[in-house]
Formats: sequence, C-alpha cells, structure tokens
Amino acid sequence: DTEVTQTPKHLVMGMTNKKSLKCEQHMGHRAMYWYKQKAKKPPELMFVYSYEKLSINESVPSRFSPECPNSSLLNLHLHALQPEDSALYLCASSQATGSRNTIYFGEGSWLTVV
Amino acid sequence: GENVEQHPSTLSVQEGDSAVIKCTYSDSASNYFPWYKQELGKRPQLIIDIRSNVGEKKDQRIAVTLNKTAKHFSLHITETQPEDSAVYFCAANAGGTSYGKLTFGQGTILTVHP
Repeated sequence: DTEVTQTPKHLVMGMTNKKSLKCEQHMGHRAMYWYKQKAKKPPELMFVYSYEKLSINESVPSRFSPECPNSSLLNLHLHALQPEDSALYLCASSQATGSRNTIYFGEGSWLTVV
Repeated sequence: GENVEQHPSTLSVQEGDSAVIKCTYSDSASNYFPWYKQELGKRPQLIIDIRSNVGEKKDQRIAVTLNKTAKHFSLHITETQPEDSAVYFCAANAGGTSYGKLTFGQGTILTVHP
C-alpha cells in the first residue's frame, strides 16, 4: 500500500492566522518531504526529513515551519502567510533518501491565503 | 545543481497514436529517473521509473528509455487513450549530497483526442 494521507484537503486562511498541514504514512518510510506546487508548474521541494531529522531546507521563508514528531508524521506549520503562498502543498515519502528511492506523493492540501 | 529540460510543453495526439516526451538532464551523477502523471486536481502519480544501470524499461503501453552518454531519457506511450490525457513530469534524482532531491522538468500537457 503506497498511501500518504494529508489533511486538510482544502484550507483557507487569513494572513494573520496560524494553521497546520498534516501528513501521515504507514509504509515504514524513513524519509518525508514537503513540496509546493503552483498551477501548471512542477512540484518544488521545500523540506526533506530523514530519520526524523531535517536534512534539506530549500531556503524556505520562516513563515513555513516543518515538524516531524515521529517517523510516520510530518507537519507544516503556517503563520503570517502571503497571498502568493496559495498553492497545492504536497507531502511525500520514500523508504530512505538515497537517490534511487521512489518518492510517493499524498493527495495534497489546497491552500488559499486571503 | 541538476537541471532537467522537458519537451514538448504540449502534445496533442489522436486516440491510438503514440506519444513521446523527451527530457535531458545536466548532472552526470544523476542515477534515477521517474516519470509522474498528474491529472487535473490530483497528486503526481508515479507511472514508471528507470535506474541508470538499465537502458530501457517497459510496462504495458508505457516505456522509458535512457541514454546516459547523451544524458537524455524519454517516455513512450503507445495506443494512447483519452484517459492518458494529463500533465506528465519527468524528474532526475542525483546522488551524493543531493539526497532526496528530485529535480522536475517543466511538464508536458498531453491531450488525447477521441
């Protein structure tokens, strides 16, 4: 079962709000990722966690704060976002971060910042 | 870092025809090349991948070829069907310090006309 579950599916938030996106996988994968995707563009990597430790931060603004409470869960905390942050946020996981590991995406969370 | 170029950006075919999408990559250390299909409003789904120790891989109507010398890889879809209509992304995953970092092409919008 290659299932990565994300909640919520849709989120509308104001620029002063604090919200969180959640991701869960039960495949025993030790690498988890956050990607951001704008319309008609490819996914852009934001963060990589390997064995629950942050291993890559692609110079993401601090208004996005990732958290990995355990090997199955990944959160993205959102605060003081801008309208241009509206996008599809995709969580993904893979067995490990080695370059030959297949990356599986969740259904995504559609975020609208108003 | 890795750079992946994908062509064409749009492709329109008649049902039953073949479709070919081509990608080139820049980092000779890249050794894993997945292809994702993304339908409107859905997540990217892995449809086929190839590793650098293999020149060709086939799965029913879908095949991928890899030319390491020329640093390009291609997706071939035969006997296209309307349900093949989607955006297709190629990607490359380098080794070394780029663990977990998939670099995507810009995508190809494939339309299959009945």
